[in-house]
Amino acid sequence: AQTVTQSQPEMSVQEAETVTLSCTYDTSENNYYLFWYKQPPSRQMILVIRQEAYKQQNATENRFSVNFQKAAKSFSLKISDSQLGDTAMYFCAFMKHSGGTSYGKLTFGQGTILTVHP
Amino acid sequence: KAGVTQTPRYLIKTRGQQVTLSCSPISGHRSVSWYQQTPGQGLQFLFEYFSETQRNKGNFPGRFSGRQFSNSRSEMNVSTLELGDSALYLCASSYGQETQYFGPGTRLLVL
Repeated sequence: AQTVTQSQPEMSVQEAETVTLSCTYDTSENNYYLFWYKQPPSRQMILVIRQEAYKQQNATENRFSVNFQKAAKSFSLKISDSQLGDTAMYFCAFMKHSGGTSYGKLTFGQGTILTVHP
Repeated sequence: KAGVTQTPRYLIKTRGQQVTLSCSPISGHRSVSWYQQTPGQGLQFLFEYFSETQRNKGNFPGRFSGRQFSNSRSEMNVSTLELGDSALYLCASSYGQETQYFGPGTRLLVL
């Protein structure tokens, strides 16, 4: 079974600064996807970024980028130029690439509450 | 494209009752997954449907069931509600089996 661990229950950052959220995972799989989702106070789960394990290049989406270290099973999220609207709970999630018992199943970490201060 | 929709958004039930939640996926998406979110257990996978077939199931009792219709809309049912079933229920849809897009959730309170 896969496990995802987010060791930072809470983080805070000043507006316009950079913050990094940590995530580690445990799996014996070689092909998988990793995701970061954010859940603001509205509780709507929003996709932030996706990384395919077979790609060595780190994914980037505007102010959001990841540091994917496959051998270390680490997948951190960097938010640059933090904005007040980035305040949310951030979840790291894992999905196996192949079918079978992986169908449609995301395994989530416990989440990190990020607060951006003005 | 319209996003994933869930109805109702809020629900209050009493112990022993049953409840049905509905999820309409993004147009063209055939896979629908359901999750339960609670403060204590976090986000847990319930089940996944694709083309009206349940392909995957999480570790929940048989009181939790679901189905999917030919238009890909999905429903989940919880029978004999318990206090511990109080949670935010999220559904997510995907075109293939990777990126999932979530609905706003249904908040269920069991009294």
